[in-house]
Amino acid sequence: DIVLTQSPDSLAVSLGERATINCRSSQSVLYSSNNQNYLAWYQQKPGQPPKLLIYWASTRESGVPDRFSGSGSGTDFTLTISSLQAEDVAVYYCQQYYSTLSITFGQGTRLEIK
Amino acid sequence: QVQLQESGPGVVKPSQTLSLTCTVSGDSISSGGSYWSWIRQHPGKGLEWIGYVYYSGSTHYNPALKSRLRMSVDTSNNQFSLKLSSVTAADTAIYYCARDRGALSSPGWFDSWGLGTLVTVSS
Repeated sequence: DIVLTQSPDSLAVSLGERATINCRSSQSVLYSSNNQNYLAWYQQKPGQPPKLLIYWASTRESGVPDRFSGSGSGTDFTLTISSLQAEDVAVYYCQQYYSTLSITFGQGTRLEIK
Repeated sequence: QVQLQESGPGVVKPSQTLSLTCTVSGDSISSGGSYWSWIRQHPGKGLEWIGYVYYSGSTHYNPALKSRLRMSVDTSNNQFSLKLSSVTAADTAIYYCARDRGALSSPGWFDSWGLGTLVTVSS
């Protein structure tokens, strides 16, 4: 299985400041034939299902605010929230779909307000 | 706008079979192109992919659960189902059904989710 390791496990950021969450893959999720990174990001608020934010590592899902952005390639990826809002408090997960034999998620990063 | 809703017993006895159904509205399973998936979340923990079923009935399961899993699709009722046999307390979790839109003709990301249903394994 491809193991995704997120860092940090938890993060406290002041309102209006930048939040950065990292996801490292145990093997590359870059598919050379199409130069796409097979990685997605989700946001999960308490009592709710996860919500898709980003796919192809950097493509924002329709309706997702542009303060959310994804970057990285190969094995190292980052989700950035450029200016933290109160409603962004949540747990964030990365997910790889490179290995469809077993789709896997990172362990999650809890984001709070400082 | 696609909506998914899980249904099934909230409590299952150890060694018995957990059975859940997901009813889809706003999209047709038979139209193809999407992978209809199950994901679970142990209380207070992270996400675990269980598997998917395609409109044709083909399936793919998490290797760790494969021996106990069976998924099926009912296109006439726009539903898909999960059966997990020989359950133990370790199968207590919130079970989500989700649509995987597919990424270039293979499974990809989950763009629509049900609200989830808590299944507790207890005697």
